[in-house]
Amino acid sequence: GIQVEQSPPDLILQEGANSTLRCNFSDSVNNLQWFHQNPWGQLINLFYIPSGTKQNGRLSATTVATERYSLLYISSSQTTDSGVYFCATDSGGSYIPTFGRGTSLIVHP
Amino acid sequence: KAGVTQTPRYLIKTRGQQVTLSCSPISGHRSVSWYQQTPGQGLQFLFEYFSETQRNKGNFPGRFSGRQFSNSRSEMNVSTLELGDSALYLCASSRDSSYLNTEAFFGQGTRLTVV
Repeated sequence: GIQVEQSPPDLILQEGANSTLRCNFSDSVNNLQWFHQNPWGQLINLFYIPSGTKQNGRLSATTVATERYSLLYISSSQTTDSGVYFCATDSGGSYIPTFGRGTSLIVHP
Repeated sequence: KAGVTQTPRYLIKTRGQQVTLSCSPISGHRSVSWYQQTPGQGLQFLFEYFSETQRNKGNFPGRFSGRQFSNSRSEMNVSTLELGDSALYLCASSRDSSYLNTEAFFGQGTRLTVV
């Protein structure tokens, strides 16, 4: 099946800093989505982005499907951005989502 | 409108027992999918139900099963519990059958501990 790798695994920032999270995938994809899991375990959709670029406030994401990667940008980070960021994708005809291992982000005040 | 509700939030069971978890989707959503999250394996897809039919199943043993009722509420069952089944179980609901999309909403999860 498709392999999904996220980097870095851990990230520690000071409030106000910018960051880039990366998601590499091993095959062409039907769908790709970024999630944020807050410290209480809830998963929140951030972006559905199988290709192209999207922005939502301080967050933006870009997927270059031909090169098999996606990037999540966080600008002017806030303590509430802390948590784990996952990308998930599926491939071929299965539509079964595969998640990366996530990037754990801690933003210090 | 009410979000996705999972019950119970926490559960402790003994090896060999069985457990049933419940997920009530957002009103109007017909797709419910289930995921297992463990420190070792990360987030893994269990299965998806759409209009009472299982549409997809992940790579889990037959001890893991589920069903969906006519009101779209879903239950998952794990029989003969093993220590490795300790995990956070998440469900997500969406209006249609594509669950990697912007309309999928997750519940807060059920944390199962097997002792």
